[in-house]
Amino acid sequence: QKEVEQNSGPLSVPEGAIASLNCTYSDRGSQSFFWYRQYSGKSPELIMFIYSNGDKEDGRFTAQLNKASQYVSLLIRDSQPSDSATYLCAVIGSGGSNYKLTFGKGTLLTVNP
Amino acid sequence: GAGVSQSPSNKVTEKGKDVELRCDPISGHTALYWYRQSLGQGLEFLIYFQGNSAPDKSGLPSDRFSAERTGGSVSTLTIQRTQQEDSAVYLCASSLQPSNQPQHFGDGTRLSIL
Repeated sequence: QKEVEQNSGPLSVPEGAIASLNCTYSDRGSQSFFWYRQYSGKSPELIMFIYSNGDKEDGRFTAQLNKASQYVSLLIRDSQPSDSATYLCAVIGSGGSNYKLTFGKGTLLTVNP
Repeated sequence: GAGVSQSPSNKVTEKGKDVELRCDPISGHTALYWYRQSLGQGLEFLIYFQGNSAPDKSGLPSDRFSAERTGGSVSTLTIQRTQQEDSAVYLCASSLQPSNQPQHFGDGTRLSIL
């Protein structure tokens, strides 16, 4: 069974710090990796996606992928209280299901003013 | 442009009733997905549409669940003879194409079975 694992948290960081969120996945053939942000009572919002090994930066967000280690991370620089949310890691696996997102349980991030 | 639209946003119904949930994907998106998020649970895949066809229904929990898509656009998820364990947030997503593409979610339908 394909699995995506995240530390449930909560992860608490002070305002202005770097928040580091981590995710591991079991399907070595996975091709696509996504980070979603979910505020309490709201639906998931796509914030980053990455397909290749290395780093991808978008504003304050950086996604990092290491396929050899089956590890993907999200860094949030200059964290703001408005970044407080649950962050969901999602992976599209290999084989015939290259459309199905498998989600981790999410990491709750709290940014303290 | 407009995002994925779902209706109703909330639905409360009695056990044993049928419910119909609607999803209108982003214009031009050929792939459409239904997921479910239960309290304390992660997001679980239900069904995937490419055009009007559903190549993968593997996530539907039982034969009380069915879905269709018409005109390559709007999709309806129907739950017959609802049970309390069906209470969840039902989320619809769409993507430009099905393979390895970012999926964008609607606001969801919060279903409560009394």
